[in-house]
Amino acid sequence: AQSVTQLDSHVSVSEGTPVLLRCNYSSSYSPSLFWYVQHPNKGLQLLLKYTSAATLVKGINGFEAEFKKSETSFHLTKPSAHMSDAAEYFCVVSEGVGTYKYIFGTGTRLKVLA
Amino acid sequence: DAGVIQSPRHEVTEMGQEVTLRCKPISGHNSLFWYRQTMMRGLELLIYFNNNVPIDDSGMPEDRFSAKMPNASFSTLKIQPSEPRDSAVYFCASRITGAKAFFGQGTRLTVV
Repeated sequence: AQSVTQLDSHVSVSEGTPVLLRCNYSSSYSPSLFWYVQHPNKGLQLLLKYTSAATLVKGINGFEAEFKKSETSFHLTKPSAHMSDAAEYFCVVSEGVGTYKYIFGTGTRLKVLA
Repeated sequence: DAGVIQSPRHEVTEMGQEVTLRCKPISGHNSLFWYRQTMMRGLELLIYFNNNVPIDDSGMPEDRFSAKMPNASFSTLKIQPSEPRDSAVYFCASRITGAKAFFGQGTRLTVV
């Protein structure tokens, strides 16, 4: 069975400092992994995805994530936080490329301090 | 492309009333999903359609919930009768099978 765990429900960083949002997953098969961002009163936007190609995935807005099979992790990082990054971030696992079920983590709310 | 379009954006209704949420997927997409987001349970998949056919409705909470997809460009999620615990944000998403999903902006439902 698939599952995804976001280790921090809230993360606060100062503007200009690095961001780390942690995600661990479990999957019986080769998973596809995604990070989605949700800004207040807006829908979910795809940041990046991993589908068994390069383990380091670059996304939009300077975010990237590294798939580490040995650690079953897919942490999201950004070298320098911007005020506009304040939002809720969801880690998502899906078994394989062709399946339809997305399992969402509980979300991490990122706060960026001036 | 306008993306996935959901209506209404906000809905406030009284307990016991019927509520219908609407979704227009991206043209050409053959898969459509309805999700519900609450503080307690996060994002939950309610139902999944492929080529307008419901494939998995195991996430539909109870018989008060029903979803239809009469054609490739339209889907509805209906709650009848609505209850306060149905208050949530309901998201519709669509995709081409195997590709990434695109989400609508959601409908915020409040049942009082």
